[in-house]
Amino acid sequence: AQSVTQLGSHVSVSEGALVLLRCNYSSSVPPYLFWYVQYPNQGLQLLLKYTTGATLVKGINGFEAEFKKSETSFHLTKPSAHMSDAAEYFCAVSPSGGYNKLIFGAGTRLAVHP
Amino acid sequence: DADVTQTPRNRITKTGKRIMLECSQTKGHDRMYWYRQDPGLGLRLIYYSFDVKDINKGEISDGYSVSRQAQAKFSLSLESAIPNQTALYFCATSDPGQHQETQYFGPGTRLLVL
Repeated sequence: AQSVTQLGSHVSVSEGALVLLRCNYSSSVPPYLFWYVQYPNQGLQLLLKYTTGATLVKGINGFEAEFKKSETSFHLTKPSAHMSDAAEYFCAVSPSGGYNKLIFGAGTRLAVHP
Repeated sequence: DADVTQTPRNRITKTGKRIMLECSQTKGHDRMYWYRQDPGLGLRLIYYSFDVKDINKGEISDGYSVSRQAQAKFSLSLESAIPNQTALYFCATSDPGQHQETQYFGPGTRLLVL
């Protein structure tokens, strides 16, 4: 069975500081990995995804994530936080190939303060 | 115009009432999903449909039913609403032939059951 663990339900950073949101997964087959972002009162928007190939994935708004198979991790980073990055972030996993049943983590709420 | 729309956006109902949440999409995707979001639990899958004739239960289908009226429409019903069904509900779509089945989400319906 697949599962996703996001470490830290709330993360607070200063504007301009590094953003690091942690995600670990368990999967019995090679996974597809996703990060979604949810801005206040909005639906989820795809930030980036890993399927195959290069393990460092770049997404929108300056975010990137690195798939580390040995650590079963897919942490999300951004070098310099902006106030507009304040949102809730969800990591999700699905089995590669076949149909896409997404398993979501519990989410991490990112606060950015001046 | 949004590709995935949900109506209503907000709903207050009373225990025991039957209500329907509707989802429409213009993306031309065959696959559609209903999730609920609860604080600290992330998103959990209620039902999913691969096409008009194929409907499947997700991990938390008890107390819910769905109808896939057309490729573009997927409705979620609460047969007899109860307070613990108070949540944020999301519809999503995906296409198995594109983008490694990235799911695209609607804006959500916020439901309060009194």
